[in-house]
Amino acid sequence: QQQVRQSPQSLTVWEGETAILNCSYEDSTFNYFPWYQQFPGEGPALLISIRSVSDKKEDGRFTIFFNKREKKLSLHITDSQPGDSATYFCAASPYQGGRALIFGTGTTVSVSP
Amino acid sequence: DMKVTQMPRYLIKRMGENVLLECGQDMSHETMYWYRQDPGLGLQLIYISYDVDSNSEGDIPKGYRVSRKKREHFSLILDSAKTNQTSVYFCASSSGTGINERLFFGHGTKLSVL
Repeated sequence: QQQVRQSPQSLTVWEGETAILNCSYEDSTFNYFPWYQQFPGEGPALLISIRSVSDKKEDGRFTIFFNKREKKLSLHITDSQPGDSATYFCAASPYQGGRALIFGTGTTVSVSP
Repeated sequence: DMKVTQMPRYLIKRMGENVLLECGQDMSHETMYWYRQDPGLGLQLIYISYDVDSNSEGDIPKGYRVSRKKREHFSLILDSAKTNQTSVYFCASSSGTGINERLFFGHGTKLSVL
């Protein structure tokens, strides 16, 4: 059973557009949600994260929107650039730790110039 | 410089051979992980190590074992490799716990079992 789901599996946008990546989860004890970015041939790296006490987290062109009631969150990439082409993983963790991050299956974003 | 190093980057083995994947980190992190990544399946957790000789199974441990004799070094061992173990393997170490956790990944080892 996939506890963290992501959609779409892949996404193509034009340079300058906004890419929207979706994530949902099952376990109501999850309250920390990092997003990891992975370029081809490399390992994932932390991009941005949000705690469940917040409904929005912004870092430059990357914004997480969080809806605790619906157990959904999304990552918005505004003014998408070709260098944003990568796979993005949503992950979840309970506050107490002691349990490994649970990763979604990822969304591959391609930004066309 | 915070770094997780994996060796080798590429490996080709025949079915039934033993495989050793090695991982090192220079951050003195206590917790380290082994994941495998397959298309459409994302990152699947194989093993966690909380410190030297303190290892726990992840979600897909069957066919794998691990060794951690030094805090900075974590090995993944495949005894008698199978073709369905062809994958990209990532090692990670983590700082913090819970809401403060951040994983640092290596570049991965691409393993092909023929």
